Amino acid sequence: DAGVIQSPRHEVTEMGQEVTLRCKPISGHNSLFWYRQTMMRGLELLIYFNNNVPIDDSGMPEDRFSAKMPNASFSTLKIQPSEPRDSAVYFCASRYRVLPHYGYTFGSGTRLTVV
Amino acid sequence: GIQVEQSPPDLILQEGANSTLRCNFSDSVNNLQWFHQNPWGQLINLFYIPSGTKQNGRLSATTVATERYSLLYISSSQTTDSGVYFCAVQGAQKLVFGQGTRLTINP
Repeated sequence: DAGVIQSPRHEVTEMGQEVTLRCKPISGHNSLFWYRQTMMRGLELLIYFNNNVPIDDSGMPEDRFSAKMPNASFSTLKIQPSEPRDSAVYFCASRYRVLPHYGYTFGSGTRLTVV
Repeated sequence: GIQVEQSPPDLILQEGANSTLRCNFSDSVNNLQWFHQNPWGQLINLFYIPSGTKQNGRLSATTVATERYSLLYISSSQTTDSGVYFCAVQGAQKLVFGQGTRLTINP
């Protein structure tokens, strides 16, 4: 099992540009989560999907952020237009369920720098 | 929502020492996990432990769900144990992280 795969590992972009982060969850995991990590706010949940359907996007900071999960093996997080305050590490995680409990596996993250 | 508090925030030890990290949470949980974030930023799952005790080599963890706390023990620490240790709990649907304990092991 290759684990949760995120790309790119690092992204440097100029303010105003569109940024797309990608995630491939573990096969068979039916939930996918996007987290953002900053020094000020720690690890915070942005959005999560169950069975490819967005369930809670209350953590998405503003309309510049959007996420999709077109199928069970792929998700994207897009920022358009990007701003310097979006600089952070973005993690994707997938979740398995062994009733009545859950377990999460995280990808290696994408370090985004907006200059 | 559920609150997660970790202590201490920072811990500096000499190689070979033992340590105990604590995680308190505010409500009943379906899941509790301990993660180690290494100096390269990777989040490594250490334990999935909603209740009971588990051991993996020099690391062990105990969760007392009825009293809403979990402990992570590191024995005979090594410099490679350095990093940030996160406790994360799930209530209804979301996994909520504590602020972490930054552990520094000096040679």
